[in-house]
Amino acid sequence: DTEVTQTPKHLVMGMTNKKSLKCEQHMGHRAMYWYKQKAKKPPELMFVYSYEKLSINESVPSRFSPECPNSSLLNLHLHALQPEDSALYLCASRGVQGSVPTGELFFGEGSRLTVL
Amino acid sequence: AQSVSQHNHHVILSEAASLELGCNYSYGGTVNLFWYVQYPGQHLQLLLKYFSGDPLVKGIKGFEAEFIKSKFSFNLRKPSVQWSDTAEYFCAVNALQAAGNKLTFGGGTRVLVKP
Repeated sequence: DTEVTQTPKHLVMGMTNKKSLKCEQHMGHRAMYWYKQKAKKPPELMFVYSYEKLSINESVPSRFSPECPNSSLLNLHLHALQPEDSALYLCASRGVQGSVPTGELFFGEGSRLTVL
Repeated sequence: AQSVSQHNHHVILSEAASLELGCNYSYGGTVNLFWYVQYPGQHLQLLLKYFSGDPLVKGIKGFEAEFIKSKFSFNLRKPSVQWSDTAEYFCAVNALQAAGNKLTFGGGTRVLVKP
């Protein structure tokens, strides 16, 4: 079981819909990540939030809009997606040793998105 | 920017055979190294990790990996595989001094263990 919780586990949406993916962790981690994983491919980084501020945007299209309301929550707002955006969306948080961030990411189980 | 290479895209072997998956990275500074496994239809699970110290790291399910700094390598091994080891295996590197503290994945190796 993972300590990073993602909802929903599965989502089907049309190209005109607006939906959101949610991620939550209560491990006290201060950096959170969104990755996208297509079938048979490695995860690709989308966004990084550090101390609730967006620190990395890997040139992701604006139809994906991240939000970090607080240190435990991370959202990904979806609007006007394309069928090629269908993928597994993974949330992760970065571990700490004492108060020092480590390089280890803790992944959620993912939200499997299908865009029709 | 750091990059990670996994040389074998597909590996097919029989039960009880030994497995070794190669992983090389390009980054000259301090790194944290990881191997993740993804069973069919499931999420990523951490097999093992290297932060510092003993370069031979033992993980779950009988896996181990050896960090060879001079070769920029972190190869994964298992002496005797089981059918249940059929999965996709990803090597990942976090370059600690690089901007953004990103975890970069290799392309993955698909392992099929025949019963």
